[in-house]
Parts: sequence; structure tokens; C-alpha cells
Amino acid sequence: DAGITQSPRHKVTETGTPVTLRCHQTENHRYMYWYRQDPGHGLRLIHYSYGVKDTDKGEVSDGYSVSRSKTEDFLLTLESATSSQTSVYFCAISTGSGMNTEAFFGQGTRLTVV
Amino acid sequence: QKEVEQDPGPLSVPEGAIVSLNCTYSNSAFQYFMWYRQYSRKGPELLMYTYSSGNKEDGRFTAQVDKSSKYISLFIRDSQPSDSATYLCALSYGNNRLAFGKGNQVVVIP
Repeated sequence: DAGITQSPRHKVTETGTPVTLRCHQTENHRYMYWYRQDPGHGLRLIHYSYGVKDTDKGEVSDGYSVSRSKTEDFLLTLESATSSQTSVYFCAISTGSGMNTEAFFGQGTRLTVV
Repeated sequence: QKEVEQDPGPLSVPEGAIVSLNCTYSNSAFQYFMWYRQYSRKGPELLMYTYSSGNKEDGRFTAQVDKSSKYISLFIRDSQPSDSATYLCALSYGNNRLAFGKGNQVVVIP
């Protein structure tokens, strides 16, 4: 599992509430990512980080923010959860560089917004 | 827009058959090509990784890339019931970001 831990693993929350998901890695990799997975859409990139305090948007970033105050933790926040954000969220890290780059995923957080 | 096309139709095969999966893409900016396997309610697991045109083998798995046609394939020989999973192609671009196909659900029938 490349030392990736996501928490919580499951969460049910109400529309309009803020939610924060945590991704923790143990191996000090520079790059970290948040993806969401939905039926019919596959995995889509929400936000990513290329270092402490360095983050950028992915293709489905609206309604989400991220923070990375230390190398090992990457937080994803839903400022005001909506039903369209019901999904499975995966954190990933990228290892190596250039042609030796590989990406590994956490076990996912299943979020339901009611 | 970085698009990856993968026909998401489920695939059922008898045990021992060859499974053939493929993806196409349109953007030459993709640099590296990966296949992930995902079991139900689990995270994607890296199966194969390649960065050049040609074939790469790992046991019963072969990844094939044709950059000129923008076409990648995964072949599973002597398929086993334990190969039943969803297979995702993933293409890497700037800052090691990944663009995924929608995935193929494969069922290997004993």
C-alpha cells in the first residue's frame, strides 16, 4: 500500500456541512493527489500537491480545497458538502522520477452526503 | 482536455482464456502508460507500467503500447478466477498526474 493511510474510511454527512478527508504517507514522497471515483466516470483528479504548501487544481476541483502543511499529510476539504460529492475518494502518491515514476493509491474513503 | 477512451463494457471469459483490454488516447502529451487492477471496494493496484512503444511482459500479463496509433493494450494469459476485477488504464502527464479510462470489469468463470 506504499504507506498510504486514508481517514476516515467511511463517512455519512449532511448537505451543507464541511468535511475534511485526510491522507497520510510514511515515505516522504513529494507528490500527492486526490481523485474521486464515480460510476460512468472512472477516476478523476480533484487537486494535487507537488510539495509542502504547493498545490494545484485538477479537472474537478470546484467545491473542494486542499492543504499540505507538512510532507506526510494532504487534506481534502469539502467546504459545504453537496449530494453530487457523494463518491469514493482516493489519495495517491507518486514515487520515483522521470521514466521510473509510479503511482500508488490508498484504500479509499467512501463519502455519502445526505 | 486529456481524454482516454476505454470501452467500459463488462467482459466475461472462461477460466484459461486470454483477456484482451485496450484504451485509446488523443493527446501526445501523455508520457507513461499504466494498467491498474481494482478489486471491489479496494484501491487501484498498479499492475503494469511502461513508457515506450512495444511489449512488456510480467508473468501472465503483457502490456502493449503503440504510440503512433495512440493505442495501449493489456493481455492476460491463462486467466484465473482471481483475475476477476476492474482493470483501469492510466496515462501520465505533467507533474505525474494521471488520466484514467473508465475501466473494464472482467469476470473469469471457473
